[in-house]
Formats: sequence, C-alpha cells, structure tokens
Amino acid sequence: DTAVSQTPKYLVTQMGNDKSIKCEQNLGHDTMYWYKQDSKKFLKIMFSYNNKELIINETVPNRFSPKSPDKAHLNLHINSLELGDSAVYFCASSPPTDFSSYNEQFFGPGTRLTVL
Amino acid sequence: GEDVEQSLFLSVREGDSSVINCTYTDSSSTYLYWYKQEPGAGLQLLTYIFSNMDMKQDQRLTVLLNKKDKHLSLRIADTQTGDSAIYFCAETSSTNAGKSTFGDGTTLTVKP
Repeated sequence: DTAVSQTPKYLVTQMGNDKSIKCEQNLGHDTMYWYKQDSKKFLKIMFSYNNKELIINETVPNRFSPKSPDKAHLNLHINSLELGDSAVYFCASSPPTDFSSYNEQFFGPGTRLTVL
Repeated sequence: GEDVEQSLFLSVREGDSSVINCTYTDSSSTYLYWYKQEPGAGLQLLTYIFSNMDMKQDQRLTVLLNKKDKHLSLRIADTQTGDSAIYFCAETSSTNAGKSTFGDGTTLTVKP
C-alpha cells in the first residue's frame, strides 16, 4: 500500500530512557514532517525536512534529534525522556510545492508515547 | 507569525447541519484546508479552497471563505455519527511554502 508508516504504534518507557520512532513514506514525496499532538489534541509542528535537509525546527528541546537517511525516511530520536514528552507523534509527508504553495500533507497513523 | 483559530467543541444531532468555523491572520494565505482526524488515526485531507474562491461544494461539504474577514467555514449537511471526529483548519501562504499552519482542532460530536 502507498502510505506513510510509523513504528512503533505504541511506546511505553521510563523517564530518562532514550527512544526512537521511525517513519517511512513510499509516496515519492520530497518533504517530511514530525508533529506532536498533546493530550488536548493540539497539533504542533516540530521539524520539517526537504530532500534530507532540515528546513523547519520549531523551538524543540535539543533532546529531540531528527535524522533523515534518505528522502523516504525521517526518524525521530529522543534522549532523556521526560514525563512531558508523553504525546502522540505524527509523521507526515508532502509532495513538492510549486509556485502556488499548495501543500497537502499525508499523515502516518501516529505513535503514542507514554513516559512513566 | 501566522495564527489559525477555531472553537474547540461542537455538538449536533444526527441529520442536522454542522458548521465549523476558523479564523486566520496571514493575509498572504493562498490555500486553506480542512483535515479530519478520526479516533486513533492520523489527519486526512477532507477538502481545500484556493484563496481566490469564496465557495467550494463537494457532496455534503460546503466550504465558505471570506478573505476580507479572514474567515473560513466548513458546513456538513445531514451530519452522520460517522462524521464525529476532530476537524483541523490549516493554511499555507506564498511567503512560507512547504509549511502549513494548523488550528487547534474542533471536536465534532454527533448525537443520535
């Protein structure tokens, strides 16, 4: 199936641990994103990569480090996990934007991270 | 910076019309979008409108755009229980291509 996929779907871990979430898209898109959705369902962009290059980094603690080995993958590594990191993390991708700036984003199913 | 605002909750009866409202601040917005998020799933694009249009209709969905007031609405006719979800308004602008600014989402509850 063509889609944006994330692994794992659920992640439960202790405070202070380091964990990674993986994202892959087979849509041939150039741009990928990470979003955080908190318990109130508010959606905040964290990072955006275009062709493996970081283009958006929104005031995210440097414990969060995205890595894009190729344009189909954008992984998120989190060091020293804190209680406040508990949220659902969504990966998304979008095709190249032309002069019109149309930017439909395709979202993965989310990874629910619980920090105990 | 850009800001997109929505009311957080809306409750309607099955068969009624739902209207979800959104306001935005960026005067260079070119596209405005409505995404739907069902429980336990990611967001999916429901519909969008180009900024030089004032209305777009797609089956039960009607999008109205008032560019002067920077106001966007989504009307769902004959609302069904399957329409219960969170609806996110979003915008992209000519000055910030490749980034969409999302509202906080409106949780629509449809009661039988």
